[in-house]
Amino acid sequence: NAGVMQNPRHLVRRRGQEARLRCSPMKGHSHVYWYRQLPEEGLKFMVYLQKENIIDESGMPKERFSAEFPKEGPSILRIQQVVRGDSAAYFCASSPRLAGNTDTQYFGPGTRLTVL
Amino acid sequence: AQTVTQSQPEMSVQEAETVTLSCTYDTSESNYYLFWYKQPPSRQMILVIRQEAYKQQNATENRFSVNFQKAAKSFSLKISDSQLGDTAMYFCAFMKHLAAGNKLTFGGGTRVLVKP
Repeated sequence: NAGVMQNPRHLVRRRGQEARLRCSPMKGHSHVYWYRQLPEEGLKFMVYLQKENIIDESGMPKERFSAEFPKEGPSILRIQQVVRGDSAAYFCASSPRLAGNTDTQYFGPGTRLTVL
Repeated sequence: AQTVTQSQPEMSVQEAETVTLSCTYDTSESNYYLFWYKQPPSRQMILVIRQEAYKQQNATENRFSVNFQKAAKSFSLKISDSQLGDTAMYFCAFMKHLAAGNKLTFGGGTRVLVKP
């Protein structure tokens, strides 16, 4: 059973460009979470999605950031007009179900975004 | 809002010895989950151990065990018989039970260096 897949692993963008980060959850998992890790810090929650629905986006910056998890295909975290402060590692995690229980989240290897 | 505090930025231990990492948290919830994740130099987030707050018995996974003190809101991790491969950042994390979103709240991390 393949783990959570993220691509690209490394992404370099110039200020003002767009960054698209992709996450494919583990097989059988329908819940996806995105976290951001700034250098020398812990992970910070950004957004939680199920297929075609954003459930909790309380950690997402109000501007320039968006996320989706379409019926088919991977979840996408999109950052428009990137700035140097967006440089970080972005991790995706998935879990199999919510349904009245709390499930362990399994993490992908992360995408390291560098903004020049 | 929940907060998670790891008061030890860095710890070193000799190979084969034992090291204990501290974690405290603040919450008004009565039912929740606690986790320890390991992040080696590869930056992959790896689940080490999980504890349900309603369980009095401390969780163990091979050389890893926790000391869960619910009244004190403390959740320490003990690594026994330390191995070189245990060198990593260790993050303590909190998750509410039966909450829409189930987002993880992470501490700032403790860097563990195992010396030969």
